[in-house]
Amino acid sequence: GAVVSQHPSWVICKSGTSVKIECRSLDFQATTMFWYRQFPKQSLMLMATSNEGSKATYEQGVEKDKFLINHASLTLSTLTVTSAHPEDSSFYICSARVGTYEQFFGPGTRLTVL
Amino acid sequence: AQSVTQLGSHVSVSEGALVLLRCNYSSSVPPYLFWYVQYPNQGLQLLLKYTSAATLVKGINGFEAEFKKSETSFHLTKPSAHMSDAAEYFCAVRRGSGGYQKVTFGTGTKLQVIP
Repeated sequence: GAVVSQHPSWVICKSGTSVKIECRSLDFQATTMFWYRQFPKQSLMLMATSNEGSKATYEQGVEKDKFLINHASLTLSTLTVTSAHPEDSSFYICSARVGTYEQFFGPGTRLTVL
Repeated sequence: AQSVTQLGSHVSVSEGALVLLRCNYSSSVPPYLFWYVQYPNQGLQLLLKYTSAATLVKGINGFEAEFKKSETSFHLTKPSAHMSDAAEYFCAVRRGSGGYQKVTFGTGTKLQVIP
């Protein structure tokens, strides 16, 4: 089946620094990628929808200047958490859509901000 | 707005017993419904999906779900639980169409399998 990878799988950073997370579709081209965050013992919350070559569409309440999304190619989307703070610590998961409804999820990235 | 409600944040079953995880949806149009499984510190894996074809949907690992319009339900079942089924399960519904599709997840149900 379709495989989506994320890098890094976990990252620890100091408060105030920026962190970039990569999401790649390894064996297919994805016109749309999604970024979610998941707090401990909670469900996934959609942050933004990213279409290749265009600006990401952010969900209400998500700061677009803090969570920068770039979808430069059909196989790569990046999420940059700028000026990270401890409250940004979370599990970030991307997914890539194939066809009309199938989404494939990456393994997630655990971000810890000290 | 389309959404899903999962009843029970935690479910415990004995190994070999029936697994039943409940999901109810609200939708003004025929929905696309999904069940995903998440193992600790991992992403989500699709178990099965309903796309308005057969109402009884069979998925991976012996799971199945039945779409019941009269009850607005899409409960997940497995006849005999295995230790490896211990994980968190999410029901989800697809919203929108075309390039504006989004998937909304339920709050999740953690399944514990007791040996």
